[in-house]
Amino acid sequence: EVQLVESGGGLAQPGGSLRLSCAASGFVFSSYTMNWVRQAPGKGLEWVSGMTGSSGIKYSADSVKGRFTISRDNAKNTLYLQMDSLRDEDSAVYYCARKDRSGSYNHFDCWGQGTLVTVSS
Amino acid sequence: EIVLTQSPGTLSLSPGERVTLSCRASQSISSSYLAWYQQKPGQAPRLLIFATSNRATGIPDRFSGGGSGTEFTLTISRLEPEDFAVYYCQQSGISPPWTFGQGTKVEIK
Repeated sequence: EVQLVESGGGLAQPGGSLRLSCAASGFVFSSYTMNWVRQAPGKGLEWVSGMTGSSGIKYSADSVKGRFTISRDNAKNTLYLQMDSLRDEDSAVYYCARKDRSGSYNHFDCWGQGTLVTVSS
Repeated sequence: EIVLTQSPGTLSLSPGERVTLSCRASQSISSSYLAWYQQKPGQAPRLLIFATSNRATGIPDRFSGGGSGTEFTLTISRLEPEDFAVYYCQQSGISPPWTFGQGTKVEIK
């Protein structure tokens, strides 16, 4: 069974840092581009960052560039999001999502249950 | 960045009704790169439709997608109690950023 399990969320102060993890199982992790998508309370979905499987190419939304860093450890089947210089507006549920690997489509075919990040003093 | 605008924001309907949700893109996108997701309260989004009209694994055939260019739709032919949720469209072109619409809530009337 394909499974994504996020962890690492919690309360952080403005200007602080958090590191999120996403443990993957049930598929060949290194073959997939993995992503972080967030959802502020009562709001819609926002793609945050993505990283290809083997080549390690990284992408980030403008809203987090220079502050958030995506990385992965294919040996541990784990995706990470290092979040620095946190702002109030970064408060959200952060989801890990797998991108379809067909090469023809780019939808997100599997999602974790999410981890809540709250930025507040 | 491609902006997706969904309409309406909220729909109040009864079980058994037919509903069509709209997603409009700020520029033309390939039909291969338009997807729809369903999200229920407290749950992660779930893939419903990919490449405009292809149902994801396990999705019942009362869900269908269509459209092209800048106009896309999701139709539920007959609403079941479990279909009351928020629906998001997403464009996932060749290069990021991959954007979502703001969502349409389908609520029980």
